[in-house]
Amino acid sequence: DAGVTQSPTHLIKTRGQQVTLRCSPISGHKSVSWYQQVLGQGPQFIFQYYEKEERGRGNFPDRFSARQFPNYSSELNVNALLLGDSALYLCASSLVGRGADADTQYFGPGTRLTVL
Amino acid sequence: AQKITQTQPGMFVQEKEAVTLDCTYDTSDQSYGLFWYKQPSSGEMIFLIYQGSYDEQNATEGRYSLNFQKARKSANLVISASQLGDSAMYFCAMREDYKAAGNKLTFGGGTRVLVKP
Repeated sequence: DAGVTQSPTHLIKTRGQQVTLRCSPISGHKSVSWYQQVLGQGPQFIFQYYEKEERGRGNFPDRFSARQFPNYSSELNVNALLLGDSALYLCASSLVGRGADADTQYFGPGTRLTVL
Repeated sequence: AQKITQTQPGMFVQEKEAVTLDCTYDTSDQSYGLFWYKQPSSGEMIFLIYQGSYDEQNATEGRYSLNFQKARKSANLVISASQLGDSAMYFCAMREDYKAAGNKLTFGGGTRVLVKP
């Protein structure tokens, strides 16, 4: 079975621009979460979406937004890019529910965003 | 206070030896989950092992085992018989009570492991 896929792999933008990152979850997974990983740090939670609704939001400004589509894929949008937005953006999918199998999040390869 | 603390920024380990990666956590929830992920230089986060707060036995997955000490709030990862391919960053993460926190994972700062031949 295919794992979590993300596109694009790499992206270079300039300050003030807008970017859209895409994620397709593992087949059968209905929850998608987004994380930002700045170089040298652990990932930071941005959003969780389940059944097309936002179920959690991390401590990120309103420039960050996301949505989930009927096929459970998701997009992360970042407006008015800042230099500090340069990071690896990771998408993770899970079944959602209780128990180990449902809780485990499986990550995609990430999108590396560079803001110049 | 940090929710997940990994005190070892980096470690060297000899091939075929075992290594223990430390992780302590802080939560007031009764129901939570603890995870370990491996991140090679390619960037992808690879799930290794899970321990639920109500699990009485330590989790094991192949060469990975989790030493769960609930009273001490520690969840150390043990990698047995280290291989060169184990060289990577290792992250400890926690998911708190789902009703309050959803599926959010909180990560530690990571430990870089370098396996020497």
